[in-house]
Amino acid sequence: GAVVSQHPSRVICKSGTSVKIECRSLDFQATTMFWYRQFPKQSLMLMATSNEGSKATYEQGVEKDKFLINHASLTLSTLTVTSAHPEDSSFYICSAPRQAYQETQYFGPGTRLLVL
Amino acid sequence: SQQGEEDPQALSIQEGENATMNCSYKTSINNLQWYRQNSGRGLVHLILIRSNEREKHSGRLRVTLDTSKKSSSLLITASRAADTASYFCAPYTGANSKLTFGKGITLSVRP
Repeated sequence: GAVVSQHPSRVICKSGTSVKIECRSLDFQATTMFWYRQFPKQSLMLMATSNEGSKATYEQGVEKDKFLINHASLTLSTLTVTSAHPEDSSFYICSAPRQAYQETQYFGPGTRLLVL
Repeated sequence: SQQGEEDPQALSIQEGENATMNCSYKTSINNLQWYRQNSGRGLVHLILIRSNEREKHSGRLRVTLDTSKKSSSLLITASRAADTASYFCAPYTGANSKLTFGKGITLSVRP
């Protein structure tokens, strides 16, 4: 099956620093990737759609200057949490359909971010 | 896109028993998908049922869909401790592959 990886799996940073999370499709090309965040025992909240070669599309209420998304290649999307604060601590997960407009998603294993 | 609402929020059963989980949604869909999330991990696709299907099976999984009631159910038969996880339904409207999720159902299977 399709594999999506994320790096790092866990990161701890100081308040005010920026953190970059990578999402890679390992055996397929993904023109579209999705970024979610999840609080403990909560649902996954869709943050944005990452589009290869163009700007990301953010969901309502998500600050695009706070959560920078870059999708520079067909196998890599990055999410940068800028000037992180403790309230940004969360579990960040990416996903991608194996083919454009495919209905099912392949999810990465997630990145646990803790901002001190 | 729209999210489904899963019910119950939590379910605890004994190994070997069946687990039934329900999902409701609000608008017309193209298909409905169920995903599983093990603690601290990403989601794994379990099964997809299309709007013109009423029932589908995959191993120990049975999913039903009632479009008139805008509801779906996922049955896991002969549950195992390894089935302990959170389960999410995702109604799919066909809009750019976007999926949104509800709060999910936490299933605990006691050995």
